[in-house]
Amino acid sequence: AQTVTQSQPEMSVQEAETVTLSCTYDTSENNYYLFWYKQPPSRQMILVIRQEAYKQQNATENRFSVNFQKAAKSFSLKISDSQLGDTAMYFCALGLTFGTGTRLTIIP
Amino acid sequence: KAGVTQTPRYLIKTRGQQVTLSCSPISGHRSVSWYQQTPGQGLQFLFEYFSETQRNKGNFPGRFSGRQFSNSRSEMNVSTLELGDSALYLCASSLGPIRSNSPLHFGNGTRLTVT
Repeated sequence: AQTVTQSQPEMSVQEAETVTLSCTYDTSENNYYLFWYKQPPSRQMILVIRQEAYKQQNATENRFSVNFQKAAKSFSLKISDSQLGDTAMYFCALGLTFGTGTRLTIIP
Repeated sequence: KAGVTQTPRYLIKTRGQQVTLSCSPISGHRSVSWYQQTPGQGLQFLFEYFSETQRNKGNFPGRFSGRQFSNSRSEMNVSTLELGDSALYLCASSLGPIRSNSPLHFGNGTRLTVT
């Protein structure tokens, strides 16, 4: 069975700061895909970034990047220069399985 | 392209009743999956349909069922509702099956309240 663990239920940072959300997972598969999704308050869940396990290079999408450590089964999300619009629930996902989410608040 | 459409947006039912939720995926997407979202529990996977076949099922009782039609639209049914079924039910579509690199595209969800 696959598991995804997000150990930070809530986080808050000042606008323009950098924040890292942690995610660990467990799977017996060799090739798999990891995703971070963002769910703004009362809005649709959208994809933030994805990582293919066989690619060693960490994925980057503008201000969002991941630190993928395959051996440690760790997949953290770094948000640089955080903006008020980044306030949302963030979910880490592996296949069918989602973590419990991290509620991130950006403070003006 | 139109996004994933879920209807209705809100539902209020009483215990013992049954409910049917609907999901229309993005045009061209053949995979539809359903999730139950509750505070503190995150997203719990219900089931996935791909080309009208159920490919995966989560750990939910048999009261939860679903189906997918030839146009990829999907319905989820919950019978004999319980108070604990109150949740936001999210539908997501993707080009390929969930275990591929195709990301999920989510609808706005149906908020079900059981009284």
